[in-house]
Amino acid sequence: DVKVTQSSRYLVKRTGEKVFLECVQDMDHENMFWYRQDPGLGLRLIYFSYDVKMKEKGDIPEGYSVSREKKERFSLILESASTNQTSMYLCASSTDTTLFHGYTFGSGTRLTVV
Amino acid sequence: TQLLEQSPQFLSIQEGENLTVYCNSSSVFSSLQWYRQEPGEGPVLLVTVVTGGEVKKLKRLTFQFGDARKDSSLHITAAQPGDTGLYLCAGLPSGGYQKVTFGIGTKLQVIP
Repeated sequence: DVKVTQSSRYLVKRTGEKVFLECVQDMDHENMFWYRQDPGLGLRLIYFSYDVKMKEKGDIPEGYSVSREKKERFSLILESASTNQTSMYLCASSTDTTLFHGYTFGSGTRLTVV
Repeated sequence: TQLLEQSPQFLSIQEGENLTVYCNSSSVFSSLQWYRQEPGEGPVLLVTVVTGGEVKKLKRLTFQFGDARKDSSLHITAAQPGDTGLYLCAGLPSGGYQKVTFGIGTKLQVIP
């Protein structure tokens, strides 16, 4: 089974801090994604990557950046954390872009910015 | 406006009851999936449907993709407390380069 591991389950950071959220998958998937999940808004795509060193903006990239130096690792960076970035962050990977095989999600990181 | 509308948003039922949740859109999807998410965890894939009219069964769960590939339903027979969770549908719109879209979800509570 594919496993997607997010480095932290819970994080509390201060406004203005630079925050790194790490995600690692162990099945050689090319496609990786970062979503945030908020009540009443569902999952919203922040950034995604179809290959190493490749990244594309999702629907809500403002205030975020990403890094994919290795195929198995996709990092989300909050350049200067703000309280409106308090959310559940979900990393996912997939083997194809057709969605036929679906996404494998990590357990999520619940980030609180104070 | 959500591309995928899920209904109901909340559902609380007694153990043993049947239920159906819906995922509707005005857009056509090349594939659609259902996930279940438990509190504090990431969504877990239940099923993928790709053919209009397709019906898939997973134990007590029955999934149907609409003939026009614009909607889907999930029916649970004899619900159990272990079915409690957030049910999400996700679809890949047809036509050209598109991104996957998720519904907001249906939060199901099955009371013992």
